[in-house]
Amino acid sequence: DAGVIQSPRHEVTEMGQEVTLRCKPISGHDYLFWYRQTMMRGLELLIYFNNNVPIDDSGMPEDRFSAKMPNASFSTLKIQPSEPRDSAVYFCASSSQSAEAFFGQGTRLTVV
Amino acid sequence: AQRVTQPEKLLSVFKGAPVELKCNYSYSGSPELFWYVQYSRQRLQLLLRHISRESIKGFTADLNKGETSFHLKKPFAQEEDSAMYYCALLVLNAGNMLTFGGGTRLMVKP
Repeated sequence: DAGVIQSPRHEVTEMGQEVTLRCKPISGHDYLFWYRQTMMRGLELLIYFNNNVPIDDSGMPEDRFSAKMPNASFSTLKIQPSEPRDSAVYFCASSSQSAEAFFGQGTRLTVV
Repeated sequence: AQRVTQPEKLLSVFKGAPVELKCNYSYSGSPELFWYVQYSRQRLQLLLRHISRESIKGFTADLNKGETSFHLKKPFAQEEDSAMYYCALLVLNAGNMLTFGGGTRLMVKP
């Protein structure tokens, strides 16, 4: 298995534009997590899914952020409209009942 | 609510010196704790977990419930240990959600 795959690796966009980040979890994992990493706040959990169902989205900063998991092998995190303060590295991770979380390479988002 | 604290944002040591990265937690349940490491330009990866009581790359960490700590230690630091280290607490009653500390950047100087 190639591990958790995220795309794109880098995204530069203008303020106000819509941004979509993508994640393919490890096959067979039933948990999927979206984290945001910034210098100021470290790693923050945004939302997580269990069996494609969103369980806890309390970490989503505001309504501009939305996440979906239409099937077990794909999830998206969307920001609309994007703002400069959204600039960060966004990580997707997946896990099974064994509890170890495997992380993707991350998407570095820059909003100018 | 659960909380993980890593008091040092940056730890700088010389090669061969001992290293201790501090981690304290607060959690009302029975804790499961992990250390994750992120080398430059690489993904976060699991370094070790307390329930396995193993040593990975020379690192060990002991869970001290009395002090609510899970400090990461290595007797002799190597330059390749330079990375970002995150302590994490698994919250079992919220799925497999990990709560991370703020991270400590370890710099090992030659």
